[in-house]
This record gives sequence, structure tokens and C-alpha cells, in this order.
Amino acid sequence: DAGITQSPRYKITETGRQVTLMCHQTWSHSYMFWYRQDLGHGLRLIYYSAAADITDKGEVPDGYVVSRSKTENFPLTLESATRSQTSVYFCASRWDWGQETQYFGPGTRLLVL
Amino acid sequence: GESVGLHLPTLSVQEGDNSIINCAYSNSASDYFIWYKQESGKGPQFIIDIRSNMDKRQGQRVTVLLNKTVKHLSLQIAATQPGDSAVYFCAEIGPYNFNKFYFGSGTKLNVKP
Repeated sequence: DAGITQSPRYKITETGRQVTLMCHQTWSHSYMFWYRQDLGHGLRLIYYSAAADITDKGEVPDGYVVSRSKTENFPLTLESATRSQTSVYFCASRWDWGQETQYFGPGTRLLVL
Repeated sequence: GESVGLHLPTLSVQEGDNSIINCAYSNSASDYFIWYKQESGKGPQFIIDIRSNMDKRQGQRVTVLLNKTVKHLSLQIAATQPGDSAVYFCAEIGPYNFNKFYFGSGTKLNVKP
């Protein structure tokens, strides 16, 4: 059981480039989430999705775009990367109502030069 | 937004001793709390959770205590082992949206052999 995976695990890009981070889960969880983790800020929610084609903003959505055409995938796109988006990005998922615990992927370390 | 803080950024304990990690939360209406463990280079891993209608919950070597009067949460680890060395986060789940977790910046636990 692969659980939740993220790719790439490491990415270096330049300011202004478009970058897509992938997230895939094999549990058929309804909900999926994207967080960024920065020193001193803990984990902050970027976007989440309740089901295919249903997404909603979190605490820090500016500069990011998400989509969810299939239940198992939840890609995060930085349309024009900025240095302030250098961070570690975590994807998470959970079941439907009554099971609030979120399960996290291994993370993607992104460096924007 | 919600505010979740930790009293101590770093905690050092001797192997075999008990560890106590503290967390303060701001919203007295929050319904659900989770403790996560994050090892270096990995995603957060679920440890234990507690709902607001409980004061205490025990797991394997871990106990979470919830004091709603002072809005305080603690994680107790019995007989701390070197494998317990990690960063520990508490997460507060807002009463209005179970998809929005609010994480503290974490406490780093160092276990000395």
C-alpha cells in the first residue's frame, strides 16, 4: 500500500517559471490538502479539495493554483514562482466526515532562485 | 485565524525519562486536537488525537491531556527512546471547518542516550 506520495521530492527552479508539484494517494480519501512549511511558521494550509472538481482556499493561497480531476491526484501549480515560495510542501489526505485526521506525504523541497 | 503555540521550542530529555510537550490554543470552541511527530526529512506522522469532550486519552506510551479551562494541551511520552527524537506539533481543528488545521511551530525533542 503506497499511501500518499509526492513528486518530485526535490526541485530547483528560477523566478518566474511555472512549477507543478504532484500528489497521489491510493486510499481513495475524499479530502486532499496542500501545506507549506517554513521555519517559524509551522504548517500553513494553501488549498484543499473535498472531492474531484471541488477545491477551496486555505490560509495562504496567493500564487498557487490547484486542480482535482481525479480523486487520487491533487497537483499544486506555482504559475510564476517567486523566491518567497521557497519552502517544503506537504500534501495530506483524509477520509470523509467523522475521520478528521490528516495523513501526510513525505514532502517536496522547493528552492526558487 | 486560530493561534496555536508551544511553550518550549526545544526539549532535551534523558533516555528512559518521561517527556512532556506543551501546547496552547486560542479558540475555546475548537473541537478536535491532534499531535503529530515529524522526523527530519519526513512528513508529519499522526500520534494521537483528542476531542474537546475528553480530558485525557492514552495510546501506546503516549498520553494527551486537554485542559479546556486554560486552553492547554500536553503530550506525555513515557520512557522516552532515541527513536522519539523529532519535532512534535499540535494541531487545532477549528469548530467551523474540520478541513482547516492550525499548527504550532513545533517543539524539538532531543533524547540523550
